[in-house]
Amino acid sequence: EDQVTQSPEALRLQEGESSSLNCSYTVSGLRGLFWYRQDPGKGPEFLFTLYSAGEEKEKERLKATLTKKESFLHITAPKPEDSATYLCAVQANWGYSTLTFGKGTMLLVSP
Amino acid sequence: EPEVTQTPSHQVTQMGQEVILRCVPISNHLYFYWYRQILGQKVEFLVSFYNNEISEKSEIFDDQFSVERPDGSNFTLKIRSTKLEDSAMYFCASSGTGDNEKLFFGSGTQLSVL
Repeated sequence: EDQVTQSPEALRLQEGESSSLNCSYTVSGLRGLFWYRQDPGKGPEFLFTLYSAGEEKEKERLKATLTKKESFLHITAPKPEDSATYLCAVQANWGYSTLTFGKGTMLLVSP
Repeated sequence: EPEVTQTPSHQVTQMGQEVILRCVPISNHLYFYWYRQILGQKVEFLVSFYNNEISEKSEIFDDQFSVERPDGSNFTLKIRSTKLEDSAMYFCASSGTGDNEKLFFGSGTQLSVL
């Protein structure tokens, strides 16, 4: 069974204080690993897809990396508007496009 | 930017009643999905739909659930006889090719079963 575990569950940062979120996964053949941002009461908003170990992608203050067992979402000099829940999801080779999500990391950035 | 639209945003129903949740996926997308999120829990896959038929479904998607694409733009999720445990946020999503393609999610319908 595919599993995704995210840590920490919650993270509080001061504006400008860089940190990383972790996503550990087990999947029977990884097709893709996805990062989404979710604001309260909203649907997940796509951030990145990573396909193979060693791959990195960046968007503004966010950078996602992938190894064979985990992915990190690095947040550099965060701003209050980066406050959200960050979701990690995996897509396995065996299925169609089903995503298996983790519970997410709730990030709060204080000014 | 094109978006997935869901209606209603909130739905309150009595246990045992039928509900239909509606979605308008992004117009040129081919794959459609329903996910749900119970408060405080993970986003869970329910069903995927392609070429007018279900391509994959989870254990959650039992005989009480059905999906339909009644016309070229709408995609619906029907729950025939709602239970208390069906209370959740239901998200519709769509993607272009389905294979490694990112899913675009709607803002969700909050279903409350009383």
